[in-house]
Amino acid sequence: DSGVTQTPKHLITATGQRVTLRCSPRSGDLSVYWYQQSLDQGLQFLIQYYNGEERAKGNILERFSAQQFPDLHSELNLSSLELGDSALYFCASSVAGTLITDTQYFGPGTRLTVL
Amino acid sequence: SQKIEQNSEALNIQEGKTATLTCNYTNYSPAYLQWYRQDPGRGPVFLLLIRENEKEKRKERLKVTFDTTLKQSLFHITASQPADSATYLCALDMTGGSYIPTFGRGTSLIVHP
Repeated sequence: DSGVTQTPKHLITATGQRVTLRCSPRSGDLSVYWYQQSLDQGLQFLIQYYNGEERAKGNILERFSAQQFPDLHSELNLSSLELGDSALYFCASSVAGTLITDTQYFGPGTRLTVL
Repeated sequence: SQKIEQNSEALNIQEGKTATLTCNYTNYSPAYLQWYRQDPGRGPVFLLLIRENEKEKRKERLKVTFDTTLKQSLFHITASQPADSATYLCALDMTGGSYIPTFGRGTSLIVHP
């Protein structure tokens, strides 16, 4: 158990809908990362937050957005969903996220299925 | 373009043997390289980090080498056990020492009893 929690575990929805994925980082970690993992793309970095502020952006679509709240939990919002958005979405956390030695701890993931 | 290449074919070995996984990269010189383990349906777990000026790193039964001339990292598991069966991902910084690594697609390791 990494100490990172994600809800829900599974999510099934229809094209065009909007969903929210939730992540609680490990106690004491200030940095949260979101990743998407699909069979054809592998693990792709989406976005990072540090202590409530956006720190780095990866391959995140404009239809996707995220935020980190004062209690440090984070939410990833996916809108106008398409079939291709079906994937595993992972949240990871680290103490600060400013050093290469700052280990990322991954949550169990949310499996999103868009029908 | 920059690429990280890991063998997409599963590696099958017998229990007790040494498993060796390969990570090749092109068109870049990363400052570091990491290896993760991922079990089906679960998040990756960090195993080891090796910097560009380090040739080798060890942790218990794990050993990682980093050859910046060949642009290759080898990941070894000695005395492998069925419990080592998983997908192993390499990850490295693809842009100027970024602390957020880019992941390879991973290689599946299956250790047979």
